[in-house]
Amino acid sequence: DAKTTQPPSMDCAEGRAANLPCNHSTISGNEYVYWYRQIHSQGPQYIIHGLKNNETNEMASLIITEDRKSSTLILPHATLRDTAVYYCIVRSDMEYGNKLVFGAGTILRVKS
Amino acid sequence: KAGVTQTPRYLIKTRGQQVTLSCSPISGHRSVSWYQQTPGQGLQFLFEYFSETQRNKGNFPGRFSGRQFSNSRSEMNVSTLELGDSALYLCASRGSFTDTQYFGPGTRLTVL
Repeated sequence: DAKTTQPPSMDCAEGRAANLPCNHSTISGNEYVYWYRQIHSQGPQYIIHGLKNNETNEMASLIITEDRKSSTLILPHATLRDTAVYYCIVRSDMEYGNKLVFGAGTILRVKS
Repeated sequence: KAGVTQTPRYLIKTRGQQVTLSCSPISGHRSVSWYQQTPGQGLQFLFEYFSETQRNKGNFPGRFSGRQFSNSRSEMNVSTLELGDSALYLCASRGSFTDTQYFGPGTRLTVL
């Protein structure tokens, strides 16, 4: 019951920007978009999240379209260590609880 | 601040046995969630605990159970292990005033 659609895989040259798209056309007004990544067999690592404004932190930038139906995660200068599975998640917020629904994610391969 | 820790990191059990996994959240975090990751099903939510109470539960059989202690540490138990329970079990913690979950490194369970 994942609410997002992501391409299964992408390649990026080392040093270039990696732009990872995500579609979430059924997102509700109070739902946030979260991005996590998982390097092989490790726990998912939080990257960034946003509601409707663009966000930037030390790891990445998040661009959310005005209609909030899609977003793009930008890694400005990809390195080999950024090779991972990237998950775009619309957070399901329940009255008493909080869970993340993971889809298949995008495998990003950064190549030298 | 120390991250989420999980013990043990690796575990091998045989069918029919039971297993207990432990998770220590980030200091100050009172919410702990558990996820199962398998190659076939991906990352799936098991349950969430907050202040020693289960607040949300995923679609898993009753063989999967958990609990949380007063110091926010959590354990999950799987009884009558099946081969299909072989997976990476991930724990995530969340602070009271944030929706961001931070994951531990996981426990790799192999059922023979």
